[in-house]
Amino acid sequence: EDKVVQSPLSLVVHEGDTVTLNCSYEVTNFRSLLWYKQEKKAPTFLFMLTSSGIEKKSGRLSSILDKKELFSILNITATQTGDSAIYLCVVSTGTYKYIFGTGTRLKVLA
Amino acid sequence: AAGVIQSPRHLIKEKRETATLKCYPIPRHDTVYWYQQGPGQDPQFLISFYEKMQSDKGSIPDRFSAQQFSDYHSELNMSSLELGDSALYFCASSIGGSYNEQFFGPGTRLTVL
Repeated sequence: EDKVVQSPLSLVVHEGDTVTLNCSYEVTNFRSLLWYKQEKKAPTFLFMLTSSGIEKKSGRLSSILDKKELFSILNITATQTGDSAIYLCVVSTGTYKYIFGTGTRLKVLA
Repeated sequence: AAGVIQSPRHLIKEKRETATLKCYPIPRHDTVYWYQQGPGQDPQFLISFYEKMQSDKGSIPDRFSAQQFSDYHSELNMSSLELGDSALYFCASSIGGSYNEQFFGPGTRLTVL
């Protein structure tokens, strides 16, 4: 059975801290891995990863994929209260098919 | 830039009634995905369409059906509504297959009384 597991499930940090969110997967026919940020609305797209070892960056966020060890990490540096959200890891296993992870709930305190 | 449009934004129905949710993808997007997110839960994939044909099916109940029309908008039909159907339903659109980004709509909040 395909599965995507994220850790930690919940995380509380102070502004300025750096956080690393983990996503591991066991799927057949891996196509891509996507990270989303979800606040009190539909998720917003962050990154899509298809190749191992290539870091993607957007401002204070970065992500990398390891297809050998079957995991990805999402790093957020110099966290801000606006980073508080659920971060979803989603793996595409085939045409138009997506497996959602459990999500990591991040809370950044001022 | 145009985004994914969903209507209605909020819907209140009673048990055993029928509901129809609509999704209008971003222009030139040919693929639509439907998700259900229950209170405090992560989104669950329901069904997807590519070029007006069903492309994949997830955990969609038999009481639900969906289709994609010639203008690429999609409708999710929900019959014999149950209390447990209360959730946020959102759709996403993309161009082509799994290598492409999905852009999510704002969601329709369905409450079944």
